[in-house]
Amino acid sequence: DAGITQSPRHKVTETGTPVTLRCHQTENHRYMYWYRQDPGHGLRLIHYSYGVKDTDKGEVSDGYSVSRSKTEDFLLTLESATSSQTSVYFCAILRGPGNTIYFGEGSWLTVV
Amino acid sequence: GQQLNQSPQSMFIQEGEDVSMNCTSSSIFNTWLWYKQDPGEGPVLLIALYKAGELTSNGRLTAQFGITRKDSFLNISASIPSDVGIYFCAGSGGGADGLTFGKGTHLIIQP
Repeated sequence: DAGITQSPRHKVTETGTPVTLRCHQTENHRYMYWYRQDPGHGLRLIHYSYGVKDTDKGEVSDGYSVSRSKTEDFLLTLESATSSQTSVYFCAILRGPGNTIYFGEGSWLTVV
Repeated sequence: GQQLNQSPQSMFIQEGEDVSMNCTSSSIFNTWLWYKQDPGEGPVLLIALYKAGELTSNGRLTAQFGITRKDSFLNISASIPSDVGIYFCAGSGGGADGLTFGKGTHLIIQP
């Protein structure tokens, strides 16, 4: 158990609406990540955070923004959802030993 | 960006058989990780490798970090039904800026 809670776990939304996914961790880890998983693409990094208010872009950051105002929460926002953002979104944290990445259970987002 | 080639894409095996899958990279990695994902769940870490040439076991699973640091393999011995799932390799350059993932190997066990 990586101590990660994602919410919502499932959401259906309409094209053009804003959506925010929340990742909450209970172990005070510094590094947090958002990945998306799509058939044929595996897992791809969207954004990551290395501390409160410190974030950086990943491989597929276009159309997404993130915020981290508290150590325990990392929010992923789709400002105006598109059908191409239908995906499974995973939050992850970096934890020792060995600085290994551990994943949450995922948030299934469908944009119609 | 960095790319990982994972093969095979899928495997259909009989229960009790041994399984082997591998990943190769165009770039050097400092860490190789292997994850398993069951339907509807997040990837779960199986084995982490931190040194070139390292061979590590976790029960019936064995993984190796290639000497060139550009490849890794995962073996599963005597497969059982609960081994069904998708296996991902992942590599890291050593920083904390995330992992690069392979596209996964679907393991299907036929009764």
